[in-house]
Amino acid sequence: EAGVAQSPRYKIIEKRQSVAFWCNPISGHATLYWYQQILGQGPKLLIQFQNNGVVDDSQLPKDRFSAERLKGVDSTLKIQPAKLEDSAVYLCASSLVPPGRAITGELFFGEGSRLTVL
Amino acid sequence: AQTVTQSQPEMSVQEAETVTLSCTYDTSESDYYLFWYKQPPSRQMILVIRQEAYKQQNATENRFSVNFQKAAKSFSLKISDSQLGDAAMYFCAYRATSGTYKYIFGTGTRLKVLA
Repeated sequence: EAGVAQSPRYKIIEKRQSVAFWCNPISGHATLYWYQQILGQGPKLLIQFQNNGVVDDSQLPKDRFSAERLKGVDSTLKIQPAKLEDSAVYLCASSLVPPGRAITGELFFGEGSRLTVL
Repeated sequence: AQTVTQSQPEMSVQEAETVTLSCTYDTSESDYYLFWYKQPPSRQMILVIRQEAYKQQNATENRFSVNFQKAAKSFSLKISDSQLGDAAMYFCAYRATSGTYKYIFGTGTRLKVLA
């Protein structure tokens, strides 16, 4: 079974430029997450999709970050314009079913996209 | 708000020895899930072990086991017979069983395994 695919693996941009990251979850996984992992910190949820609807985007800096999940499959995360503090690894994860009271909703992660903003 | 704290930024263990990674959390909920995830260098994060808060029995997965102390809000991971392949970042995570079911991760512990 193919895992969560992400691209690009690495990206270096100048501040104020834009960047986009792509994620293809495991086939059949309804829930998709984007996390930001700054060096020395744990992953922080940016946005959670259930199929193509947004469940939680409370920590997404909406003035510069946007994300979409068309047709409930793959997803794109965009940053425009980028700031120095956006340098991080952007992790995509998916789960078969949405987590619930009795469902653990185990997360399956991609390898991440490392962004460096100069 | 729930928080997860990992107070050990880095740990080292000799190959074949046992090591324990610490994790504490704060929540007012009585029902929740706790997890340990492993992130090898430049590899994807994978689930190591999970614990359901309503279960008193500590979870075990081969060489990995947890010490879950609900009253103390402590959730440590014990790795027995450490192997070179265990070297990685280990993240403790909490997930509620209500609301958006959001995962909250700790800051991680880097485990080094010495040959």
